[in-house]
Amino acid sequence: GDSVTQMEGPVTLSEEAFLTINCTYTATGYPSLFWYVQYPGEGLQLLLKATKADDKGSNKGFEATYRKETTSFHLEKGSVQVSDSAVYFCALGRYGQNFVFGPGTRLSVLP
Amino acid sequence: GAVVSQHPSRVICKSGTSVKIECRSLDFQATTMFWYRQFPKQSLMLMATSNEGSKATYEQGVEKDKFLINHASLTLSTLTVTSAHPEDSSFYICSARGQEGYEQYFGPGTRLTVT
Repeated sequence: GDSVTQMEGPVTLSEEAFLTINCTYTATGYPSLFWYVQYPGEGLQLLLKATKADDKGSNKGFEATYRKETTSFHLEKGSVQVSDSAVYFCALGRYGQNFVFGPGTRLSVLP
Repeated sequence: GAVVSQHPSRVICKSGTSVKIECRSLDFQATTMFWYRQFPKQSLMLMATSNEGSKATYEQGVEKDKFLINHASLTLSTLTVTSAHPEDSSFYICSARGQEGYEQYFGPGTRLTVT
């Protein structure tokens, strides 16, 4: 079945550092891929998505490219802020089916 | 964009009582709603999937008699935790999916504490 793997956290960075959170998936066919962000005590918010190979999702300075050849959807941001501290979930979705979530990666950004 | 609300955001109840959590899609019709449970510093665990007007489908290991799910309309699903115990304390998150069929929209979550 489908599965999603994310890099182990927590990730601690200084403000303005470059961020990469790795996400790889195992799936047949062409699922859609998502990044969600969860701030402390809150639910999940959609950060960005990509629905087909080579699509790039972007939002709030974050980017991720759907790489079919490497089955990856790595999240990147050029310059993180303290306000980006949160837990980030990579997810895989198919039409009419449940999402498959990665375990989440906790990011802490220090001033 | 699509908005999903949950109520209450926090609830504290005594052991042995029942608690109802509501999940509403505010600006779209949710043909399918999902209920997740999240333990501290862990990922989301899918508890059940409910389609409007049908019985919920529970994931393996989730007690259907303890976690009652009702999806009586296209904008409302409820999760009732019956005879709650301290081990039921958790963060419960719902999500909703419209007729387009794949994207889920998440509620803000409900923190349940059973004393």
